[in-house]
Amino acid sequence: DIVMTQSPDSLAVSLGERATISCKSSQSVLFSSNNKNYLAWYQQKPGQPPKLLIYWASTRESGVPDRFSGSGSGTDFTLTISSLQAEDVAVYYCQQYYTTPFPFGPGTRVSIK
Amino acid sequence: QVQLVQSGSELKKPGASVKISCQASGYSFTTSAINWVRQAPGQGLEWMGWINTDTGNPTYAQGFTGRFVFSLDTSVSTAYLQISSLKADDTAVYYCARTSYVHNGVDIWGQGTMVTVSS
Repeated sequence: DIVMTQSPDSLAVSLGERATISCKSSQSVLFSSNNKNYLAWYQQKPGQPPKLLIYWASTRESGVPDRFSGSGSGTDFTLTISSLQAEDVAVYYCQQYYTTPFPFGPGTRVSIK
Repeated sequence: QVQLVQSGSELKKPGASVKISCQASGYSFTTSAINWVRQAPGQGLEWMGWINTDTGNPTYAQGFTGRFVFSLDTSVSTAYLQISSLKADDTAVYYCARTSYVHNGVDIWGQGTMVTVSS
């Protein structure tokens, strides 16, 4: 089974500054037939279900602000919030959906410094 | 609009069973798999498995076999999660979530169902 890890566990960033979260998979999630990485990022605020931010590692879901971006390929991925806003305080999870089971990373808590 | 609406919170005694529903609307139910995800209090997200809404074939993650059953009633666009022989550590929020037929990631989530197991 693929294992997902994230770093850091938590991150405090000043308003307007950049936040960067790393996600690693124990095996490649790059599907060679379409050259897509089967990796998604979710945001979860307290008391709410997760919300899809990014799929295929770098494609922003409709309606997601462009300050959120995803990058990486194979086994190493990054979620970047270019200019942190107060409403971005949340826990962020990555998930691979290349092969079952589809585990989530342990999550990264983002707060305001 | 596209949405998944789950049944309400449950309080159960150890050893009992619970059945959670997840009703889809706004799209063709049998075109997208339904995932089940568990979140224990203060913890992260655990992918429990999914069910193919076209064939009814379920796939369970390790740790969610035996006591956990995914089922469907396609006539009412509803997926179900049944948990039997409940234990205290089954206390969690359970989410259903749709797999996108465009990109295969999970794009739509239900609001979650809190199951509390306590004597």
